[in-house]
Amino acid sequence: EAGVAQSPRYKIIEKRQSVAFWCNPISGHATLYWYQQILGQGPKLLIQFQNNGVVDDSQLPKDRFSAERLKGVDSTLKIQPAKLEDSAVYLCASSLVAQGELFFGEGSRLTVL
Amino acid sequence: AQSVTQPDIHITVSEGASLELRCNYSYGATPYLFWYVQSPGQGLQLLLKYFSGDTLVQGIKGFEAEFKRSQSSFNLRKPSVHWSDAAEYFCAVGAWNGANNLFFGTGTRLTVIP
Repeated sequence: EAGVAQSPRYKIIEKRQSVAFWCNPISGHATLYWYQQILGQGPKLLIQFQNNGVVDDSQLPKDRFSAERLKGVDSTLKIQPAKLEDSAVYLCASSLVAQGELFFGEGSRLTVL
Repeated sequence: AQSVTQPDIHITVSEGASLELRCNYSYGATPYLFWYVQSPGQGLQLLLKYFSGDTLVQGIKGFEAEFKRSQSSFNLRKPSVHWSDAAEYFCAVGAWNGANNLFFGTGTRLTVIP
């Protein structure tokens, strides 16, 4: 069974530029999550989708971050404009059901200069 | 509000020695507790989870954890550490309140010396 796929693995941009990350969850998984992991910290939930609807985006900085999950399958997380403090690893995870085990991708590491 | 505390930022153990990683949580309802492991450059892998029932939980790779409600703890243990266990370990508490939100601790980095 293929795992959660994320791209790109690494991205370096300058502040005020934009960046987008892509995630393809495990086939059949209805729930998709984006987590932000800042160096030295545990992952923090940014947004959770159930199929193509948003369940929780209370910790998503909506002035600069946006996410979508068209057709209830893969998802894109965008940051525009990026700030220095956005430097982090962005982890995508999926679960079969809303309260099921989360399976994580390898993450996309963002460096903002 | 939910929170997880992992008091040890970094632990070093010798290969073959026993291991215990500490985790304390704060949650108003019955907690759902997890331990994840993260190797460098990798995503998080679930080691074990506690939802209910037996408070001693067995996981993968020879790990186990014990839920102690009176101490609000969920410590991870392994009787004999292998060099391949060197990684970052995260404890998390789940809040099933309409959303499936995991609150993670700050992690404990494990170094294994030969």
